[in-house]
Amino acid sequence: DADVTQTPRNRITKTGKRIMLECSQTKGHDRMYWYRQDPGLGLRLIYYSFDVKDINKGEISDGYSVSRQAQAKFSLSLESAIPNQTALYFCATSDPGQEPEKLFFGSGTQLSVL
Amino acid sequence: KQEVTQIPAALSVPEGENLVLNCSFTDSAIYNLQWFRQDPGKGLTSLLLIQSSQREQTSGRLNASLDKSSGRSTLYIAASQPGDSATYLCAVANYGGSQGNLIFGKGTKLSVKP
Repeated sequence: DADVTQTPRNRITKTGKRIMLECSQTKGHDRMYWYRQDPGLGLRLIYYSFDVKDINKGEISDGYSVSRQAQAKFSLSLESAIPNQTALYFCATSDPGQEPEKLFFGSGTQLSVL
Repeated sequence: KQEVTQIPAALSVPEGENLVLNCSFTDSAIYNLQWFRQDPGKGLTSLLLIQSSQREQTSGRLNASLDKSSGRSTLYIAASQPGDSATYLCAVANYGGSQGNLIFGKGTKLSVKP
């Protein structure tokens, strides 16, 4: 089984719909992240969480919200999806006690907003 | 604002060739630099991480170098194989930022022909 699991793998939704992307990890890492990847723009950080009670905005948090339900779970929500949120979304984890502190990525969720 | 640029955007080589992928960054005050590999339908895998105090890292046929003063890093792949075909991403962690707040380049898509 994958250490960092994202669900769903693919999702098609309509403008205005609320959608949640989920991420769970079995690595026991405290730190979790949500990125989006757009063709020609690379990966950009949406939100990150250093522990269950610590959530921070990344570079492009507008239009998104997150919930850290447990150490192992970090969900990303689009309250009212819009077409320019069509992208590939990645969850990642890291352990600050590991030197160097590498990131471990899930396989991604391809989201299409029509 | 840190910007990361990767050249070329795409590269096609015959099997067995040695090749170099380039990454440049605008702000030399980095904490570390990572090279990732991305396969279609899969997440990112960290290949090499170079701390700011280091000049290079090696793993198997891969060698990554870092020249902070000139804002450049290279990923050298020796004796390329078709299995090396993937997109390679360079990412920088700035001092003062979290490890997860990486600034990514747009990637180089490598194709190794049998």
